[in-house]
Amino acid sequence: QVQLVQSGAEVKQPGSSVKVSCEVSGGSFIRYTISWVRQAPGQGLEWMGRITPILGTSEYAQKFQGRVTITADTSTSTVYMDVSSLISEDTAVYYCAREAGSHWFDSWGQGTQVTVSS
Amino acid sequence: SYELTQSPSVSVSPGQTASITCSGDKLGDKYVCWYQQKPGQSPVLVIFQDTKRPSGIPERISGSNSGDTATLTISGTQALDEADYYCQAWDSTTVVFGGGTKLTVL
Repeated sequence: QVQLVQSGAEVKQPGSSVKVSCEVSGGSFIRYTISWVRQAPGQGLEWMGRITPILGTSEYAQKFQGRVTITADTSTSTVYMDVSSLISEDTAVYYCAREAGSHWFDSWGQGTQVTVSS
Repeated sequence: SYELTQSPSVSVSPGQTASITCSGDKLGDKYVCWYQQKPGQSPVLVIFQDTKRPSGIPERISGSNSGDTATLTISGTQALDEADYYCQAWDSTTVVFGGGTKLTVL
C-alpha cells in the first residue's frame, strides 16, 4: 500500500518561494511517477507537473513552466515541489499524487495548505 | 489546449440514479478517470480507464465513455455519495481535469 505524506502548512509573502515535500512509502519509489496538483479555495483541481525518478525527468504544465521545479531525492523517497515568485493567486492546497497505468492517480497525499499573504 | 467540461451541479433523490457527464473533443478516443472529493479531504479515485473500479469502490458506481462524452453513473444514490466529482484525461503530455460537478443528494 503506497502512502504519500506531505509537509505542513506554509504562509509566505508575495514574491517569495515555497518548497513542499512529499515522502513516499511502500513499493518501488524510483519507478513511480509523482505529480503535483493544486486546488485554490472553492475551485477545481489543477495539474502542475510530474517527475519520474528512474528517468530523472520532470514535465510541467505550460502555465507553470519556469516558475515551478519538481525534484526527487531517491535516498529518502521524497519528491519536492518548489514554486517561486509567489502571488496571492497561488494560495491553494497542494497535493502530490502517484500516477498509475494510463495516467490516473491512485494514491494522494493529505494536502499542504500554502497561503500567500503580506 | 484540451478542455473537459462538466456541469457545475447535479441533484438527485436518495435511491435514484445520478449521472454526471464530462465532455471534450473526441473524448472517447482517450481514457477517462473520475475522482470523488468530499469537503476537507483528498480526492479518491472511483473510476479509471473509462469503466474500471479500484478495489473498495462499490459496484453501484460505474463509468462509460463514447464520442465526445464520458459519464459517471451512481445507482441507488446514498447520502454518503454527496461530494464533488472530477473527470480527468491525458492529452499529449498533459493531465487535464474537468471543472468538477457538485452532487447533492436531496
